[in-house]
Amino acid sequence: GDSVTQMEGPVTLSEEAFLTINCTYTATGYPSLFWYVQYPGEGLQLLLKATKADDKGSNKGFEATYRKETTSFHLEKGSVQVSDSAVYFCALSGSARQLTFGSGTQLTVLP
Amino acid sequence: DTGVSQNPRHKITKRGQNVTFRCDPISEHNRLYWYRQTLGQGPEFLTYFQNEAQLEKSRLLSDRFSAERPKGSFSTLEIQRTEQGDSAMYLCASSIRRDRGAPGANVLTFGAGSRLTVL
Repeated sequence: GDSVTQMEGPVTLSEEAFLTINCTYTATGYPSLFWYVQYPGEGLQLLLKATKADDKGSNKGFEATYRKETTSFHLEKGSVQVSDSAVYFCALSGSARQLTFGSGTQLTVLP
Repeated sequence: DTGVSQNPRHKITKRGQNVTFRCDPISEHNRLYWYRQTLGQGPEFLTYFQNEAQLEKSRLLSDRFSAERPKGSFSTLEIQRTEQGDSAMYLCASSIRRDRGAPGANVLTFGAGSRLTVL
């Protein structure tokens, strides 16, 4: 079945540092890929998405490129801010109609 | 705001009691999903509806769990004879079903969740 493997946290960075959170997936066919973010006390919010190979999703300075050859969708940001502190979830929508999530990566950005 | 609304936000109950959660999706969304999230884990799929039809149920959804969406609008998730292992955040999400071949991904919009604590 579909699965998502996500870099384990927690990740702690200083403000303005470079961020990478690794995500790889297993799925049949051509899934759509997503990153969701969960801020403390809030619901999951869509951060970005990509629907086909080599697509790059981007939002709020975050980027992720759909790499079919490596079955990866790593999240990157060039300069993180304290306000980026949250839990980040990689997810896919494949042959099944629901989303399959990774286990999440807690990011803490220190001033 | 016309986002996904869930009630109650928090529920504390004693083992063996029944609880019910309600979800009001975005009005034009015809798909509705229930997920469960435990501490330190990603959301796990429970079930989903397209309009009023329950099209898929996870093996996680034991006989004690039942979900309904009687008029294709709001949905309820009931847990009977709660157990301590049921303690979790119950998330609802909604989306629009796209016609086959239509561009775009199935983007789910989530509510803030209903946190259940079973004592």
